[in-house]
Amino acid sequence: GIQVEQSPPDLILQEGANSTLRCNFSDSVNNLQWFHQNPWGQLINLFYIPSGTKQNGRLSATTVATERYSLLYISSSQTTDSGVYFCAVAYGGTSYGKLTFGQGTILTVHP
Amino acid sequence: NAGVMQNPRHLVRRRGQEARLRCSPMKGHSHVYWYRQLPEEGLKFMVYLQKENIIDESGMPKERFSAEFPKEGPSILRIQQVVRGDSAAYFCASSLGQEGDGYTFGSGTRLTVV
Repeated sequence: GIQVEQSPPDLILQEGANSTLRCNFSDSVNNLQWFHQNPWGQLINLFYIPSGTKQNGRLSATTVATERYSLLYISSSQTTDSGVYFCAVAYGGTSYGKLTFGQGTILTVHP
Repeated sequence: NAGVMQNPRHLVRRRGQEARLRCSPMKGHSHVYWYRQLPEEGLKFMVYLQKENIIDESGMPKERFSAEFPKEGPSILRIQQVVRGDSAAYFCASSLGQEGDGYTFGSGTRLTVV
């Protein structure tokens, strides 16, 4: 099956700092999503981005499908950004089948 | 639109009992996915269902686990004769099943087997 690797595994920031999270995948994908799991366990969909660039407020994401990686940018981080960020991909047949998740990046933002 | 609704939020079962986890997808979504998250780990795919059909169950344990998504009512993940290793958070997600559609997750059910 496909391998999804996220880096760094842990990241500690001061409020206001910027960060970049990376997701590498081992095969061509037709679906890539970024999720944030907050400290209460809720999973929030941040981006659907199998290719290209998207922005939503302080967050943006870029996927370079030909080079098999995606980046999530967080600018001016806030304590509420803390939690685990997951990259998840689907490959093969349809773009709406099973997602394979990476192990996540644990982000801690200190005030 | 209340989003993806899972219940119960917490479930405690004794070893050997049955656990039933329910998931109501977002209104208009006909595709449902179940994932399991063990402590300090990522999410592992279990099963993908559409109404009355199991599309992909490649992540389901061969024994004791089953899932359904009937024509009417919520999707059910059923675990028979639970063991301590089944203790985990079980998440359900739903989607429209169309290209470009992101998945929406429920709040999860935390199963504890004592």
